[in-house]
Amino acid sequence: SQTIHQWPATLVQPVGSPLSLECTVEGTSNPNLYWYRQAAGRGLQLLFYSVGIGQISSEVPQNLSASRPQDRQFILSSKKLLLSDSGFYLCAWNNRVGTDTQYFGPGTRLTVL
Amino acid sequence: AQSVAQPEDQVNVAEGNPLTVKCTYSVSGNPYLFWYVQYPNRGLQFLLKYITGDNLVKGSYGFEAEFNKSQTSFHLKKPSALVSDSALYFCAVRDNTGGFKTIFGAGTRLFVKA
Repeated sequence: SQTIHQWPATLVQPVGSPLSLECTVEGTSNPNLYWYRQAAGRGLQLLFYSVGIGQISSEVPQNLSASRPQDRQFILSSKKLLLSDSGFYLCAWNNRVGTDTQYFGPGTRLTVL
Repeated sequence: AQSVAQPEDQVNVAEGNPLTVKCTYSVSGNPYLFWYVQYPNRGLQFLLKYITGDNLVKGSYGFEAEFNKSQTSFHLKKPSALVSDSALYFCAVRDNTGGFKTIFGAGTRLFVKA
């Protein structure tokens, strides 16, 4: 069966510090991968998605970047965090063919102080 | 533009009563519709989906959803609510503009009182 991992689970970082959040998927190959941010426990904002190694699509201009160095690994980064980067970050995957159900990781709670 | 609307920020029901969480959509072509649930500080969990076929879709934890093409709605229902159903519910639709994205509604918070 497929599983998706995210780490760390929680993170407190000072403004201006770098960021690296990691997401890995097990039990599947060639997944689509997604990074979302959820603010204030409500709606999801799609940040990035990837359909293959090295292929990244950015949805909104921002202080963040994403990379996909391996087929089942998706990394969210920042060189200098802003207060507005605080939120709950969710990684998700789905199959490239089929009905597109997305499966989410447990999330990372980021607080920028 | 393709979109999903959840008109209620919050729904309150008493335990044992039926519940409905509303969702309407706007999408070009045939809709692929989904419901997800999120418990506090957790990722979203898939509940059910409509792709084609029977308009009444049954999912996890006793939930079901009714697809209504004429009203472009996909309301989530459960005959008898449990306190443990209290959570944040998201309706979603596949983006049919050629990408790989899913469009999520803003979410509806369900409170079930004992």
